[in-house]
Amino acid sequence: VQLLESGGGLEQPGGSLRLSCAASGFTFRSHVMSWVRQAPGKGLEWVSAMSGNGDRTYYADSVKGRFTISRDTANDTLYLQLDSLSAEDTAIYYCAKDRTMGGTNCFDYWGQGILVTVSS
Amino acid sequence: SYVLTQPPSVSVAPGKTARITCGGNNIGSKSVHWYQQKPGQAPVLIIHYDTDRPSGIPERFSGSNSGNTATLTISRVEAGDEADYYCQIYNSNPDHYVFGTGTKVTVL
Repeated sequence: VQLLESGGGLEQPGGSLRLSCAASGFTFRSHVMSWVRQAPGKGLEWVSAMSGNGDRTYYADSVKGRFTISRDTANDTLYLQLDSLSAEDTAIYYCAKDRTMGGTNCFDYWGQGILVTVSS
Repeated sequence: SYVLTQPPSVSVAPGKTARITCGGNNIGSKSVHWYQQKPGQAPVLIIHYDTDRPSGIPERFSGSNSGNTATLTISRVEAGDEADYYCQIYNSNPDHYVFGTGTKVTVL
């Protein structure tokens, strides 16, 4: 299993970024996929999740209405569109795979993380 | 929203036992999972479903869960166990994954 994030970088407050997570080594459409972030020196914060077939999405209250999760099952890629960014969104963003086929429990594989910095 | 509370830090001498608690309302009715995160690295799942170890995780790591507290126990602590540890549950109302506040384990 491999999860490879891309698309991070420096963005100004109010700006937008799109993160990508290329998945391989497992049946992508069978697993709920999530984004988890970690602000500098802080703990883990779950951000968003999407069901295997894409019919259900879930968001943390802190990002609801600003972030949009999506997935391309043809290309085994997970996305996170980050809009209306603020300094509080500065973090390493991890892509993570739920261990359970079709379920929601825990994360058995994580990407290496991608840094998003929001600053003027 | 559901809150998981962990002690910020735990210190332990090599060879001794470290216990990290994770408190939550009736957490014993939920499945608790634990992660280890070393500096600059992604988290690693070390305990799932309260007590089960994924393949490759040493038997020194064990878990329990009852009432309002889940516990991660690290036996015969080694210097390489120095890391941050997080508990996690899935809460179905609303549908959210929830992480604990995290505990830094220092090996003296």
